[in-house]
Amino acid sequence: GQQVMQIPQYQHVQEGEDFTTYCNSSTTLSNIQWYKQRPGGHPVFLIQLVKSGEVKKQKRLTFQFGEAKKNSSLHITATQTTDVGTYFCAARGGATNKLIFGTGTLLAVQP
Amino acid sequence: DAEITQSPRHKITETGRQVTLACHQTWNHNNMFWYRQDLGHGLRLIHYSYGVQDTNKGEVSDGYSVSRSNTEDLPLTLESAASSQTSVYFCASSEARNSPLHFGNGTRLTVT
Repeated sequence: GQQVMQIPQYQHVQEGEDFTTYCNSSTTLSNIQWYKQRPGGHPVFLIQLVKSGEVKKQKRLTFQFGEAKKNSSLHITATQTTDVGTYFCAARGGATNKLIFGTGTLLAVQP
Repeated sequence: DAEITQSPRHKITETGRQVTLACHQTWNHNNMFWYRQDLGHGLRLIHYSYGVQDTNKGEVSDGYSVSRSNTEDLPLTLESAASSQTSVYFCASSEARNSPLHFGNGTRLTVT
């Protein structure tokens, strides 16, 4: 079945450093969503990517969808302590077209 | 404002007991989902519903059931709780099948 791998599992950065998390699928995706979960909180939707090669920006966050629609990345420029949390990709594709979540990347930001 | 509410927030139960977790949304969404979250596994889909009287199994449905008698509610029942079902459970809803999910605050369930 469809699998969604997300790396790294954990990243510790100094405030002001950049951060990137990657999401890879074994199958071609119809779309991919990104969510952020603060410690003790619930996942909150950030963005959805649909088109091959699509790039979207939200302030310091840049989201990319690969040309082959099998991978995606989230890049944060100049991290802040408010960026702390777990970032999940959620991919839709394959025969069932169900939304499958990656295992998440936990970001820790040291002031 | 529309919202999605889960209850209880925390629950401790014994092995073998039946447990029901409530999920109520006021978005008027047809699509509702139950996920469980465990370290190292991310969010895994348990059951989902695309409308009243519609229910479907997700990837980890064994030991769980749901019913959808109205648009607002999708209760999740553990027929006979097992220690392996200790987890954080999230309910979610979406406007369309491919739309982003709105999550509830979660229920932390401990089975002793």
